[in-house]
Order: sequence, then structure tokens, then C-alpha cells
Amino acid sequence: DAGVTQSPTHLIKTRGQHVTLRCSPISGHKSVSWYQQVLGQGPQFIFQYYEKEERGRGNFPDRFSARQFPNYSSELNVNALLLGDSALYLCASSYGLSEQFFGPGTRLTVL
Amino acid sequence: GESVGLHLPTLSVQEGDNSIINCAYSNSASDYFIWYKQESGKGPQFIIDIRSNMDKRQGQRVTVLLNKTVKHLSLQIAATQPGDSAVYFCAENNYNNAGNMLTFGGGTRLMVKP
Repeated sequence: DAGVTQSPTHLIKTRGQHVTLRCSPISGHKSVSWYQQVLGQGPQFIFQYYEKEERGRGNFPDRFSARQFPNYSSELNVNALLLGDSALYLCASSYGLSEQFFGPGTRLTVL
Repeated sequence: GESVGLHLPTLSVQEGDNSIINCAYSNSASDYFIWYKQESGKGPQFIIDIRSNMDKRQGQRVTVLLNKTVKHLSLQIAATQPGDSAVYFCAENNYNNAGNMLTFGGGTRLMVKP
């Protein structure tokens, strides 16, 4: 079975641009969570979606938004990129609100 | 692969020795804890979990100890192997009335010397 998949693997953007990151959960999983991992730190919670509804939001500015589609895949959008947004963005899926399985992440570099 | 943490605390052990990785958590109301292993270029991988009604749980070569009095977790790896080299994170799984979120600690890099 395929695990959590994320695209793209790597991305380079410049300040002020926007970016869309994509995540496909494990088949049968209905919840997707997004985390930001800055180099040298643990992942930080951004959003959780379950059954297409937002179930939680971390301490991130409104430039960050997300959505979940009917097939349970998800997008994370970041507007007006800042240098400090450079990080590994991780997606995790779970069947319900239970054990979360992580994807390989998208490495975003903002120049 | 790309390093996941350049300035993390590092534990260096000899192959075959036992490793102990420690973690302090902050939320005394947390009732579910998880250890993750993160290899370079990969996402965190579940190792073992423990609920707050337990103080010890064992898996294959790994043991997690929970001390709620001092809000401390430890991960013990028996007979450490080169494949255990990675960054290890503890995480609190916090539920609210809508969903759940993981709060990660800062991580420890484990280096296994052959």
C-alpha cells in the first residue's frame, strides 16, 4: 500500500510569491494534518482537516490556508512568502483522529 | 540526504550498546505520547507510544518510560544498530473537542559508531 505522498519534493520561490503544496493521504484515511519543520527543530502543527472540515489550527498567520477535497487529499497554501517560511512541510494522515502517519515532506526554499 | 537538524543535541553510542534518549514535556494534561524517528530526507516514523495510565511500554528493542510526576519521557533502544542513526522526537498528542494535534519536542540526534 502506498503511504502518504506529497508533491512537489522540493520547491524554490522568491519572497512575496505564493505556493501550493499537495498531499494524498493513505487510502481510507479521512484526516490530514500539516506541520512545518524548520531546520534544527521539531515539526510545528499548522492545520488539521477531517472529513473536509478544519478541526484545528496552530499559531500561524492568515497567510497560511488549507483545504481538503472530497477524495480526502489536501492542499496547503502560503501567500506572500517570507524568508522565514523556508522549511520542510510535512503532511500526516490518520483514519480518524488517531495515530498520524507522515509523508516525506516538501522542502520549500524562499529566496 | 538532507539533514533534518544541524544543531540538535547529539547522543553518540557504540554499536551494540543501549541508548537512552530523554524528553521533557510541558502539558501536565497530556495523556498520550509518541516517539518518532526521522531519518535524513524522510518524514517522522512512528516508533512506540504510551498512554498516561501506564509508566512503561515495551516494543521490539525499544522501551518507553513515562514519569508523570516530573513530566519526563525516555526512549531506550537495546543493542543499538547503525540503522538506528536518526533524529528522535517525542510528541504529545493533544485532543480537543474538534481534533488532535501533535506537539513535538526539540529532538535528539543519535549517532551509532560501528
